[in-house]
Amino acid sequence: AQRVTQPEKLLSVFKGAPVELKCNYSYSGSPELFWYVQYSRQRLQLLLRHISRESIKGFTADLNKGETSFHLKKPFAQEEDSAMYYCALRSGSARQLTFGSGTQLTVLP
Amino acid sequence: SQTIHQWPATLVQPVGSPLSLECTVEGTSNPNLYWYRQAAGRGLQLLFYSVGIGQISSEVPQNLSASRPQDRQFILSSKKLLLSDSGFYLCAWSVPWGGGEQYFGPGTRLTVT
Repeated sequence: AQRVTQPEKLLSVFKGAPVELKCNYSYSGSPELFWYVQYSRQRLQLLLRHISRESIKGFTADLNKGETSFHLKKPFAQEEDSAMYYCALRSGSARQLTFGSGTQLTVLP
Repeated sequence: SQTIHQWPATLVQPVGSPLSLECTVEGTSNPNLYWYRQAAGRGLQLLFYSVGIGQISSEVPQNLSASRPQDRQFILSSKKLLLSDSGFYLCAWSVPWGGGEQYFGPGTRLTVT
């Protein structure tokens, strides 16, 4: 069975500092990876997916199959990045996602 | 455009009482529908998902059940609530051929007393 691990429940960085939210997965096949974000008092929403290889709000994530990781990175954190971030995996053509336990990011002024 | 609604927004129920949470989607047809429970420190737990009317897949055996009486309606139920059923319940939908990009509702905060 697939599994998604986010080792940090809480992460604090200062504004302007780089930030990296870690995500590791276990899955024997070829996965599809996502990052979802939930800002305060807003709905959970998709931030980015690995197949699109895009940068959203300055965030990027690269799928590393060798290390089975999909870490989320931003070179200069902003206060508005403070939110709960979830990493998620879709196995093959499955209709469902497996989510990690989430990382609460706080960007300090 | 597509929208997803959940109600009620908050609910306080005594132990042993029944539960019915409703989720409806507008602006799309034959969506995949999902029920999640969000708990602090435990992330998002998929409870049920449905790919069509009357088709329910249960991910976690527990005190809850789900039904899909109409194409865009998804209901989460319980006959007798337990204290451990307290939590934040999220409904989501995705396009029929998908599953990776999901669109979430505002959630229901359930407190069982």
